[in-house]
Amino acid sequence: ELKVEQNPLFLSMQEGKNYTIYCNYSTTSDRLYWYRQDPGKSLESLFVLLSNGAVKQEGRLMASLDTKARLSTLHITAAVHDLSATYFCAVDSTGANNLFFGTGTRLTVIP
Amino acid sequence: DTGVSQNPRHKITKRGQNVTFRCDPISEHNRLYWYRQTLGQGPEFLTYFQNEAQLEKSRLLSDRFSAERPKGSFSTLEIQRTEQGDSAMYLCASRTGPSYNSPLHFGNGTRLTVT
Repeated sequence: ELKVEQNPLFLSMQEGKNYTIYCNYSTTSDRLYWYRQDPGKSLESLFVLLSNGAVKQEGRLMASLDTKARLSTLHITAAVHDLSATYFCAVDSTGANNLFFGTGTRLTVIP
Repeated sequence: DTGVSQNPRHKITKRGQNVTFRCDPISEHNRLYWYRQTLGQGPEFLTYFQNEAQLEKSRLLSDRFSAERPKGSFSTLEIQRTEQGDSAMYLCASRTGPSYNSPLHFGNGTRLTVT
């Protein structure tokens, strides 16, 4: 079964700082997704990465995918409090009919 | 696009009782998924429908769990003889087909508490 690992699991950062969340997965895939989840809420789609070298940016968040390294990153630039949430990466395994999720990174941005 | 709708939002039941949850996907989405999420964990796949056909079931889905999607529209997830370990958030998601390149769109979930 495909394994998806995220690190760090918990991240506390000050407003204005930059940081990167890492997502590693264990088998071949060229489709990776990032989601955001606020406490008590459902998951919101942030990015869809569909090929090696794909880079997507939205506001202060930028996601990239390296399929050869089986690695995706979510980079946070100049963090603000509104970015506090749990971020999940999820991988579509080739031939599978579902997404495999990581355990999530709980981000807290401190004023 | 009214989003994925799930009912009820919360369900408290006693151990041994049966419960049923409903999911209404986005209308043009033919693929529907059920996931389970426990506190501090990512969603775990339970089962997948393409139209009315249930094409995949996780090993997590014991014989106490059954899901249906009659006519390829809404779906129900039933848990029989509930156990305390069934307490979790049950999430429904849908996506458009035939490409797998679209993200899953999640509902707000049904939180089940088994006492």
